[in-house]
Amino acid sequence: AQKITQTQPGMFVQEKEAVTLDCTYDTSDPSYGLFWYKQPSSGEMIFLIYQGSYDQQNATEGRYSLNFQKARKSANLVISASQLGDSAMYFCAMRVAGGTSYGKLTFGQGTILTVHP
Amino acid sequence: GAVVSQHPSRVICKSGTSVKIECRSLDFQATTMFWYRQFPKKSLMLMATSNEGSKATYEQGVEKDKFLINHASLTLSTLTVTSAHPEDSSFYICSARVAGGRETQYFGPGTRLLVL
Repeated sequence: AQKITQTQPGMFVQEKEAVTLDCTYDTSDPSYGLFWYKQPSSGEMIFLIYQGSYDQQNATEGRYSLNFQKARKSANLVISASQLGDSAMYFCAMRVAGGTSYGKLTFGQGTILTVHP
Repeated sequence: GAVVSQHPSRVICKSGTSVKIECRSLDFQATTMFWYRQFPKKSLMLMATSNEGSKATYEQGVEKDKFLINHASLTLSTLTVTSAHPEDSSFYICSARVAGGRETQYFGPGTRLLVL
């Protein structure tokens, strides 16, 4: 079974500073993908960044980077230069290959990020 | 990125009635769509996987007869909540899988269902 754990129910950060949101995962499948999504109060799920289990380098997308530590089974999201608009719920998710529900995502509990001016 | 729409965005219905929610991929074909349920400030829970032209695969604990899923075409999947009750009130979100590469899932904007 796959499991995603986000241990930070809430995080606070000052505008323009960097923040790290934690995510650990557990799977016995050697092939998997890790995702981060942002969910503002409107409810839409916005894709931020992806890391494949075989990727050698950490993924980066603009101000978002993923600190992938495979041996520790962690995939932390780093947001640099936080903006007020970054305030939202953030979800870490994992997809494993194969199975009848190929491509389905397992989500963590989420972290509410609040950016202060 | 790929666009997924959902309709309606918000629905209020009386207990005992059925509600249909549509999920459409607007600029790509989606052989697989997923339906999630989310309670306030909680995580997304996968309800079922919808494959075009075949029966949906439901997650454990999800009532197949209560949550009917149909994936009639490569761009449309529907979720029907039958005989809705107040406990079915929730936020329902669909996603569509874009095959290849990252296997990224793109989500619809969600549907807020309130059953009175």
